[in-house]
Amino acid sequence: GENVEQHPSTLSVQEGDSAVIKCTYSDSASNYFPWYKQELGKRPQLIIDIRSNVGEKKDQRIAVTLNKTAKHFSLHITETQPEDSAVYFCAASIPGGSYIPTFGRGTSLIVHP
Amino acid sequence: EPEVTQTPSHQVTQMGQEVILRCVPISNHLYFYWYRQILGQKVEFLVSFYNNEISEKSEIFDDQFSVERPDGSNFTLKIRSTKLEDSAMYFCASSEVGRGLWDTEAFFGQGTRLTVV
Repeated sequence: GENVEQHPSTLSVQEGDSAVIKCTYSDSASNYFPWYKQELGKRPQLIIDIRSNVGEKKDQRIAVTLNKTAKHFSLHITETQPEDSAVYFCAASIPGGSYIPTFGRGTSLIVHP
Repeated sequence: EPEVTQTPSHQVTQMGQEVILRCVPISNHLYFYWYRQILGQKVEFLVSFYNNEISEKSEIFDDQFSVERPDGSNFTLKIRSTKLEDSAMYFCASSEVGRGLWDTEAFFGQGTRLTVV
């Protein structure tokens, strides 16, 4: 099955700095890579996703890049704000009739004001 | 905006007792999932359900677990005889049918925190 590794486990930045979270996946058949943000005590919520036919996707301050050859993808957050503080999970999904993302272990992002 | 809802938000149960966690998926979704998240750890897939049967399940989903869609709106997870290590946040999720080669987003409920004492 798919295995997703995520680094770092914790990331501490100053407000205004950029944050980068990296993930690798094992199954080259994976073609959908969502990123979820989970605030303390709340549900995981999709913040951005990328499919394997593109290499980069951007939405305001967040962007995701995908390198299919190397089987890794990254989340980039620019101009971080304290409200960006949360746990971020990457995931990879193999195509098929059902959608079953395999999650990384999560990165706890702390943005200091 | 439609949401996946779960009840209860917190359940405390004694070891060995049965618990049923309830979920109401988004109404036009056809795939349903249960995930669990042990405190401080990653979100782990338990089971997916489609067309009134289990589509896939992980090694975590052993004979102690079962799922059911008792009516047109609810989706339940039953743990027959709870163990201390079942303590976790349990998330229900639902998604539309995957379109062609591209999979679709899963929407998560707010979770049920299960504490086994």
